[in-house]
Amino acid sequence: GDSVTQMEGPVTLSEEAFLTINCTYTATGYPSLFWYVQYPGEGLQLLLKATKADDKGSNKGFEATYRKETTSFHLEKGSVQVSDSAVYFCALRAGANSKLTFGKGITLSVRP
Amino acid sequence: NAGVTQTPKFRILKIGQSMTLQCTQDMNHNYMYWYRQDPGMGLKLIYYSVGAGITDKGEVPNGYNVSRSTTEDFPLRLELAAPSQTSVYFCASSTPGAQSNSPLHFGNGTRLTVT
Repeated sequence: GDSVTQMEGPVTLSEEAFLTINCTYTATGYPSLFWYVQYPGEGLQLLLKATKADDKGSNKGFEATYRKETTSFHLEKGSVQVSDSAVYFCALRAGANSKLTFGKGITLSVRP
Repeated sequence: NAGVTQTPKFRILKIGQSMTLQCTQDMNHNYMYWYRQDPGMGLKLIYYSVGAGITDKGEVPNGYNVSRSTTEDFPLRLELAAPSQTSVYFCASSTPGAQSNSPLHFGNGTRLTVT
């Protein structure tokens, strides 16, 4: 079945550091890929998405590129801020009427 | 613009009690979902619905029931609460779309403790 694997956390960085959060997936066909973010006390919200190979999703300084050859969708940001502290989930959706499959999530803490 | 609204935000239940978690959305979305979130485990799908009158089981449906009498509402029922149901519950909605890239819109969650 479909699955998403995220790197183990938590991750703690200093402000302005470079961020990479790894995500790999297993799916049949050509899934759409997503990154969701969950700020403390809130629900998840869509951060960015990509729907086909080599697409790059971007939002709020975050980027992720859909790599079909390595089945990966790593999240990157060049300079993190304290306000980026949150839990980040990688997810895939493998068909128009299929459900979203989530990774386990990773907690990011950014120190001033 | 309310989006997806869940009530209550917090609840403590005793073992064997029952309760209903409420979820309503004002975006006219056909698809609605219930997830539970446990520490270090990500989100697990409990039930989902593709439209009024239609519901289906997700990965972890045991101990729960749902109904979908209207497009807007998708309540989740716990009949006999057990400690294993201590979790944070999220309701979400989406449009079906012609492709698979429709994002989910989440509520702010209900934190449930069963003791």
